[in-house]
Amino acid sequence: DSGVTQTPKHLITATGQRVTLRCSPRSGDLSVYWYQQSLDQGLQFLIQYYNGEERAKGNILERFSAQQFPDLHSELNLSSLELGDSALYFCASSGAGTGYEQYFGPGTRLTVT
Amino acid sequence: QKEVEQDPGPLSVPEGAIVSLNCTYSNSAFQYFMWYRQYSRKGPELLMYTYSSGNKEDGRFTAQVDKSSKYISLFIRDSQPSDSATYLCAMNSGGSNYKLTFGKGTLLTVNP
Repeated sequence: DSGVTQTPKHLITATGQRVTLRCSPRSGDLSVYWYQQSLDQGLQFLIQYYNGEERAKGNILERFSAQQFPDLHSELNLSSLELGDSALYFCASSGAGTGYEQYFGPGTRLTVT
Repeated sequence: QKEVEQDPGPLSVPEGAIVSLNCTYSNSAFQYFMWYRQYSRKGPELLMYTYSSGNKEDGRFTAQVDKSSKYISLFIRDSQPSDSATYLCAMNSGGSNYKLTFGKGTLLTVNP
C-alpha cells in the first residue's frame, strides 16, 4: 500500500458527461501528479500541483482540469467526455525535493460508453 | 522518435532465471531513472531509482544506467512467480521538473 488513495475505483459514464476523480496524497507529501494510462499511449503525465499551486502541465486536454485543496487532496475534472477518454487515471504524490520518487495510488478506471 | 523506448515483450522465463529488462531514451537531459512494477489492475509500485550513471542494487534487483549510450537496465536475479508483472522504466530531468516520462512497459511472466 503506497499510502495514496483514489476514489472511485471504477466509473462508467456516457459521452458528453462530466466526472470528478479524487486523490489523497501520502501523509506529508505536498506534490500531487495526475497520469493517464491507456493501452496505446502508456502512462502519460497530465498535471502536477505543489501545495495548492499548479507546477507543471503535460498533454492535458482543455476539457480536463485539476485543483489541489488546502488539505492537499486533489481532484481531476473531466468534462465533455469522449469514448477515447476511457482509461486508467492515476494519482501520485511525492515529498519536497524528491519529485523523482513518486508513489502511485490504485487508480480510477474510467469507462465512457 | 519516442523519448523512451521499451520492448513490450511479453517475456516468459522459468523460475530462478536471471531477467534483463531494458529501456533506451533520446533526451540527454534525463538525470533520474526509475523502475516501477505494475501488477494487473494495480497502480505502479516504485522499485528503485538511480541518479545519473552507475549501478544500484537492492536485494534481487540491480539497476544500471549508461548515460553515454542512453540505455538503462533492470536485472532480476533468482526470479520468482511473484515477479510476474509489467515493468515500467521512467525518467526525469531533475531540477524543478518532476514530470516522469515512462516507457510503455515490459510484461514479464515467471513460470514455476
